[in-house]
Amino acid sequence: RKEVEQDPGPFNVPEGATVAFNCTYSNSASQSFFWYRQDCRKEPKLLMSVYSSGNEDGRFTAQLNRASQYISLLIRDSKLSDSATYLCVPSTGGGNKLTFGTGTQLKVEL
Amino acid sequence: DAGVIQSPRHEVTEMGQEVTLRCKPISGHDYLFWYRQTMMRGLELLIYFNNNVPIDDSGMPEDRFSAKMPNASFSTLKIQPSEPRDSAVYFCASSSSTGFYEQYFGPGTRLTVT
Repeated sequence: RKEVEQDPGPFNVPEGATVAFNCTYSNSASQSFFWYRQDCRKEPKLLMSVYSSGNEDGRFTAQLNRASQYISLLIRDSKLSDSATYLCVPSTGGGNKLTFGTGTQLKVEL
Repeated sequence: DAGVIQSPRHEVTEMGQEVTLRCKPISGHDYLFWYRQTMMRGLELLIYFNNNVPIDDSGMPEDRFSAKMPNASFSTLKIQPSEPRDSAVYFCASSSSTGFYEQYFGPGTRLTVT
């Protein structure tokens, strides 16, 4: 089983739509969780840190289910600028080492 | 505040040549990570340092790769000799143990070995 599993997509959605990405992780010892976004030919950028069972930041909501080892990201009212690859990232190795999934590609269209 | 700084941004070299990539972490961060990204393998952790000491180099592909961190504000990743299969984007990232361990990435070095 892969350490992090994500649907690669692409998810093609119209502007204004709500879209959700799911991710499962295999290391039950993971303590910290993050979502990063990566634009084409750019570096990964931190989008959200996922605390406790989840948190919200504007149009973005992340949820964590430790029992099922499952993380989700919900984007509401999607914008053209949200088009990117979204990487699910649990921690390993005591918290400082991160394991990056291969990402889910989102394309927001007019 | 300055983010993670990497140089060069692009490097084109011939097979067999030595390549040195450089990284300056965010001031005050005590962890530094080197990653490699390719289409086939995604983002792979090569090595990471804590307080300038290498902690885990299990991701370093082979002896041709070496990394150093002589002080808290500078690290190098060296490939000698380089091979075409080393072509990739190499990212440096840093994080702080006083935070939530979020990692912040530099812009990357795009390496092409011909």
